[in-house]
Amino acid sequence: GENVEQHPSTLSVQEGDSAVIKCTYSDSASNYFPWYKQELGKRPQLIIDIRSNVGEKKDQRIAVTLNKTAKHFSLHITETQPEDSAVYFCAARTGYALNFGKGTSLLVTP
Amino acid sequence: NAGVTQTPKFRVLKTGQSMTLLCAQDMNHEYMYWYRQDPGMGLRLIHYSVGEGTTAKGEVPDGYNVSRLKKQNFLLGLESAAPSQTSVYFCASVLSLGDGELFFGEGSRLTVL
Repeated sequence: GENVEQHPSTLSVQEGDSAVIKCTYSDSASNYFPWYKQELGKRPQLIIDIRSNVGEKKDQRIAVTLNKTAKHFSLHITETQPEDSAVYFCAARTGYALNFGKGTSLLVTP
Repeated sequence: NAGVTQTPKFRVLKTGQSMTLLCAQDMNHEYMYWYRQDPGMGLRLIHYSVGEGTTAKGEVPDGYNVSRLKKQNFLLGLESAAPSQTSVYFCASVLSLGDGELFFGEGSRLTVL
């Protein structure tokens, strides 16, 4: 099955700095790559996604890039704010199943 | 719209007991999923369903059974609970694969003693 690796597992940045989280996937048939944010005690919520026919997508301070050849994709958060502190999960879909990475705990300090 | 609703939200079981988690969605979604979340392990897929009357195994199906008798409901059963099944369980649904976004329930925290 699909294997999604996510790095780093923890990330601490100062407010205003940028944060980058990287993921790799194993199945070249994967065609959909979402990113979810999960605040403590809450459910995961979609923040941005990208499909395999697109190389980059941006939504305000958040952007995702996809390199199909290398089978990796990244989440970029610019001008980080304390409310960005959460656990972020990448995922890759092959067929019907969405497989998640193990998560990155992001801490933004004022 | 209530979205995706899970019941119960908390449960404590003794080893060997059985229980069922109920997931209900009111969005007419075709696909439904059960994940478990453990510290440092991310979200792991237990079972999923691509439509009423269908079920399929995910990454970690052992010790669990599921049923999708009605389109809006997806049940996760533990026949003989084990301490290793202590986890937070999330149900999720999506309208279609082309639609993309997976909607999650609030989670059910299960402790097996």
